[in-house]
Amino acid sequence: GAVVSQHPSWVICKSGTSVKIECRSLDFQATTMFWYRQFPKQSLMLMATSNEGSKATYEQGVEKDKFLINHASLTLSTLTVTSAHPEDSSFYICSAAYGGELFFGEGSRLTVL
Amino acid sequence: GDSVTQMEGPVTLSEEAFLTINCTYTATGYPSLFWYVQYPGEGLQLLLKATKADDKGSNKGFEATYRKETTSFHLEKGSVQVSDSAVYFCALSHSGGYQKVTFGTGTKLQVIP
Repeated sequence: GAVVSQHPSWVICKSGTSVKIECRSLDFQATTMFWYRQFPKQSLMLMATSNEGSKATYEQGVEKDKFLINHASLTLSTLTVTSAHPEDSSFYICSAAYGGELFFGEGSRLTVL
Repeated sequence: GDSVTQMEGPVTLSEEAFLTINCTYTATGYPSLFWYVQYPGEGLQLLLKATKADDKGSNKGFEATYRKETTSFHLEKGSVQVSDSAVYFCALSHSGGYQKVTFGTGTKLQVIP
């Protein structure tokens, strides 16, 4: 089946630094990937839709300068949290569509100290 | 806007017990409904889905029926196993499930021997 992998699975960083999270489709090409964020005991919230070769589409209320998304190839999308602060600590999940179904990565837990 | 409400967990059951995880939704029109499962250390996987009223989705012994009159999509299994221990997410989509998806908060199920 289709596999989506994220890296790193967890990361700890200092306040003010930037962190990059990668999302790869391992056995299929994905023109579109999605980035979600999940707070404890809350729903997965769609942050943005990442389109290969073009700008990402951000959901209302998501700061595009804060959460930089790059979808440079058909198998890789990256999410960079710039100038991270403790309130950015969260669980970030990516997904990609294949064959009419969404496939999800394992998630990346970010902790900002 | 769309929303999904599911019962809070964690739910702890003994092996072979009957499982029900409640899910209700608020949405315009006629969305497709889904249950996703996330096993420890893995990404979300589609468990089952239903695309119209009165449809029953089923997979791996799990079932859920799309009830338009009660706006519900409760997940059931007659006899749970330890291997069913996971987090279960109810979700809806207006685009067949491979575009924008609205998730519930997830319900953690723990099955003890």
